[in-house]
Amino acid sequence: DSGVTQTPKHLITATGQRVTLRCSPRSGDLSVYWYQQSLDQGLQFLIQYYNGEERAKGNILERFSAQQFPDLHSELNLSSLELGDSALYFCASSVGQGASGELFFGEGSRLTVL
Amino acid sequence: AQSVTQLDSQVPVFEEAPVELRCNYSSSVSVYLFWYVQYPNQGLQLLLKYLSGSTLVESINGFEAEFNKSQTSFHLRKPSVHISDTAEYFCAVIPLRTGRRALTFGSGTRLQVQP
Repeated sequence: DSGVTQTPKHLITATGQRVTLRCSPRSGDLSVYWYQQSLDQGLQFLIQYYNGEERAKGNILERFSAQQFPDLHSELNLSSLELGDSALYFCASSVGQGASGELFFGEGSRLTVL
Repeated sequence: AQSVTQLDSQVPVFEEAPVELRCNYSSSVSVYLFWYVQYPNQGLQLLLKYLSGSTLVESINGFEAEFNKSQTSFHLRKPSVHISDTAEYFCAVIPLRTGRRALTFGSGTRLQVQP
């Protein structure tokens, strides 16, 4: 158990809909990262937050947004969903800003868009 | 920017045989190197890392990786695999001091250990 909690574990929805994925980092970790894992694109970094502020941005679509709240949990919002958004979405956390590269991953939220 | 190439998408191997999973990277700056492992239906977890010092690093479950700067490689090896090593293995890099401080992962290598 990494200590990172993600909900929901599975989500099935339709194209055009909007979903929210939630992540609680390990106790004491200030950074939260979101990654998308799909068969065709592998593990893609989406975005990082550190202590409530956006720290780094990767290949995140404009239809996607995220935030980190004062209690340090984070939410990833996916809107106007398309079939290609079907993937496993991982949240990870780290103590600092991630300079050491050691991240702790949750078990992921599997999104299926029909 | 950094990129990571894992040449083998799948590596089947028999139990107790040796294995090598290959990783090459490209970066204009110095990087830290990592191997992460993903067991079925689980998240990724750190297997081993190279930050500095000895170029040979080891994990607690018998894996080792060697940083080769001239060949920009960080291959993962184990002299004798077990069924329980069946998993997907990801090589990753992060720049030391500049650029986006987030891990860049390779596409993964699925290790399938057969009895």
